[in-house]
Amino acid sequence: DAGVIQSPRHEVTEMGQEVTLRCKPISGHDYLFWYRQTMMRGLELLIYFNNNVPIDDSGMPEDRFSAKMPNASFSTLKIQPSEPRDSAVYFCASSLAGGPKTGELFFGEGSRLTVL
Amino acid sequence: AQTVTQSQPEMSVQEAETVTLSCTYDTSENNYYLFWYKQPPSRQMILVIRQEAYKQQNATENRFSVNFQKAAKSFSLKISDSQLGDTAMYFCAFLSVNAGNMLTFGGGTRLMVKP
Repeated sequence: DAGVIQSPRHEVTEMGQEVTLRCKPISGHDYLFWYRQTMMRGLELLIYFNNNVPIDDSGMPEDRFSAKMPNASFSTLKIQPSEPRDSAVYFCASSLAGGPKTGELFFGEGSRLTVL
Repeated sequence: AQTVTQSQPEMSVQEAETVTLSCTYDTSENNYYLFWYKQPPSRQMILVIRQEAYKQQNATENRFSVNFQKAAKSFSLKISDSQLGDTAMYFCAFLSVNAGNMLTFGGGTRLMVKP
């Protein structure tokens, strides 16, 4: 079974440009999470979805960030306009409620974003 | 709200020796899960071990074991016979059964295994 798939693996862009990060969760998982990781702030939860519905977006830094999950197999995290302080590794993770693997997060390989 | 604290930002251990990483958490919940995740330099996070709070027996996975002290709200990870491939960041995480599937992570411990 394929794991969580994220794209792109690396993105370098200039300040002010729009950035779109993509995620395909594991088939059948009903939760999807977006995390951001930096040296200074560690691992931060940005937003998570349950059955494609955003449940908690309190971690989204500001209005420049938006996330969507149009269907069970796809989610996007968009930053518009991007700023240098958005440089980080962005992880997508999915999980399944209930059963023996309750709560276990399956992470993608991350998207490293550099904003110049 | 739950909090997870890892008090050791960095640790090192000699290859083949044993090391213990500390984790404490704060919660008023009684039914929850605890996890240790590993993030090697390749950066993908993978699950090392999990513990259900209702189970008294400490979880083990090969060279990895935990010391779960529910009353003390402590959940340490012991790595036996450390290998160079164990070099990574290790994150402790907490999940309340009443919080959907949202994990609370600690700040991480960077472990270096030295040859």
